[in-house]
Amino acid sequence: ETGVTQTPRHLVMGMTNKKSLKCEQHLGHNAMYWYKQSAKKPLELMFVYNFKEQTENNSVPSRFSPECPNSSHLFLHLHTLQPEDSALYLCASSQELAGGLGGELFFGEGSRLTVL
Amino acid sequence: SQQGEEDPQALSIQEGENATMNCSYKTSINNLQWYRQNSGRGLVHLILIRSNEREKHSGRLRVTLDTSKKSSSLLITASRAADTASYFCATDDNYGQNFVFGPGTRLSVLP
Repeated sequence: ETGVTQTPRHLVMGMTNKKSLKCEQHLGHNAMYWYKQSAKKPLELMFVYNFKEQTENNSVPSRFSPECPNSSHLFLHLHTLQPEDSALYLCASSQELAGGLGGELFFGEGSRLTVL
Repeated sequence: SQQGEEDPQALSIQEGENATMNCSYKTSINNLQWYRQNSGRGLVHLILIRSNEREKHSGRLRVTLDTSKKSSSLLITASRAADTASYFCATDDNYGQNFVFGPGTRLSVLP
């Protein structure tokens, strides 16, 4: 138990569906992240939020829409996805952003997304 | 751009042997971290080493950092079947803002 909870753990959706992934952290951290992990590719950073403000959008297509209503919750809204978007989506949090003192990332177990 | 690059991509050893994985990066860093991931699960932090440190230990793990060569190594001693997982190094990126991961080393420890 890392203190970061992701739901759902598995999601199958059609290309015309709209769904959302949810992440919640109980660690009092200030930074939250979405990563995408596809087969045989390095983890890809998608979005970063620090104190609820987005600090990074790593050229992610607009069919992925993040939302951070408070420092404990992070959502990833999905719409009109493509089959190549099928992947493991990982949420993480850290006390501060990586720079300077840095610190470790705490990951959730991930949401396995399959787009048909 | 990608910072860390692990080597080898895959490693298979017998239980009880030591496993060594390497990580190379491109630009200066504040810290380097190693993570472990069991298949289909989230990543778990193993150890962090700062740029002014050369070696760090945690249980059966030993991490070294050579900033002149921009490289790090992770040694797992007396490996166990339960150590079977993928291992990733992560560094802060060029702007010191975010963590950037390498492609990982897939370790298989055979009983």
